[in-house]
Amino acid sequence: DIQMTQSPSSLSASVGDRVTITCRASQGISNYLAWYQQKPGKVPKLLIYAASTLQSGVPSRFSGSGSGTDFTLTISSLQPEDVATYYCQKYNSVPLTFGPGTKVDIK
Amino acid sequence: EVQLVQSGAEVKKPGESLKISCKGSGYSFTTYWIAWVRQMPGKGLEWMGIIYPGDSDTRYSPSFQGQVTISADKSSSTAFLQWSSVKASDTAMYYCARSAVLGATGSYFDPWGQGTLVTVSS
Repeated sequence: DIQMTQSPSSLSASVGDRVTITCRASQGISNYLAWYQQKPGKVPKLLIYAASTLQSGVPSRFSGSGSGTDFTLTISSLQPEDVATYYCQKYNSVPLTFGPGTKVDIK
Repeated sequence: EVQLVQSGAEVKKPGESLKISCKGSGYSFTTYWIAWVRQMPGKGLEWMGIIYPGDSDTRYSPSFQGQVTISADKSSSTAFLQWSSVKASDTAMYYCARSAVLGATGSYFDPWGQGTLVTVSS
């Protein structure tokens, strides 16, 4: 089965900073990658699918890129409401594995 | 509005059986796969398996195969996750989530249910 890794596992940044999270698949998955945001105590929320397509209603400061095995989620200007754990998920085929998550907080 | 509503929190003793539910509304229940996702306390998201309510075709993660049973009832637009004998290690939040792409096994998930907290303790 394909394994998903994320780096870093956590980060602390200042409001307004550009934040980049990396997700790596152990084998190529084309662009079958989604990103989710989970705020503390809340339900996960879809941010991006097909590696770079922003879900309706998601702020434009979020963007995604990549294909094959390497993907990134970028927050162009970190806001206090972006404090959350971010997960990638591959969906090219079952099992539909999630990455281990990256916890983002404010410095 | 597409919505998934899960059953309420459960407290069980080790060895007891358990069945939790996820009711879909606002869409054709039989034409979208429904997944179950586990989140243990303080941990990440784990994909458990997925079911197509139209014909009950079910796929499991190797980590959960044989440990749980996923089923669906078309007549009530409800998916289920069940255990025959729960263990303390089954203590977790369990989410159901709908595949966002019509008929596709391989899909991202949107929307999600609100979660069902399962606590197993003697």
